[in-house]
Amino acid sequence: DTGVSQNPRHKITKRGQNVTFRCDPISEHNRLYWYRQTLGQGPEFLTYFQNEAQLEKSRLLSDRFSAERPKGSFSTLEIQRTEQGDSAMYLCASSRAAGSYEQYFGPGTRLTVT
Amino acid sequence: QKEVEQDPGPLSVPEGAIVSLNCTYSNSAFQYFMWYRQYSRKGPELLMYTYSSGNKEDGRFTAQVDKSSKYISLFIRDSQPSDSATYLCAGLDRDDKIIFGKGTRLHILP
Repeated sequence: DTGVSQNPRHKITKRGQNVTFRCDPISEHNRLYWYRQTLGQGPEFLTYFQNEAQLEKSRLLSDRFSAERPKGSFSTLEIQRTEQGDSAMYLCASSRAAGSYEQYFGPGTRLTVT
Repeated sequence: QKEVEQDPGPLSVPEGAIVSLNCTYSNSAFQYFMWYRQYSRKGPELLMYTYSSGNKEDGRFTAQVDKSSKYISLFIRDSQPSDSATYLCAGLDRDDKIIFGKGTRLHILP
């Protein structure tokens, strides 16, 4: 069990550019979640996957955001035409099964949009 | 009104003191209640969970939930400087999403 990993850890980009983040969950974890955390706030849910199926998307996830989890393993979160308001920590978590309170979080990717 | 309300602090207490952290929530569907600890520039880590109302103790930590008043508490006994972190209370909703409070920044003064 090597834990949830996320890459890159930090990303600085200019407004209008596209960025992609990667999350590798704990192996054999079926559920994978994406959250966003801004300064002084708790993490907010963005979307989650059961294996390769994306089951729910928050209304926070505008059409500039897209997430995938091909083959039910790693996941990517892409933000197109970044805006300064997208600056945040993007957290990935995984859990073994549905109904699990035990979601294990990765270290996050800190995005700064200049 | 946010689903989970939490005073952001900061809260500063001397080493060895008992720390009390509290939250209120509004979502009656919550069955699991969690406390996460988050160190600076790190992801949250699950500290404790409670199912429905009641108490749970783990070493120096005690979690309490009172569903009648929708109140969540975490007590830390014999606080240590290494306990300095942000503590996030949370509930698990029907769709397996964790709903977090803002977090309380805690400083334990040596």
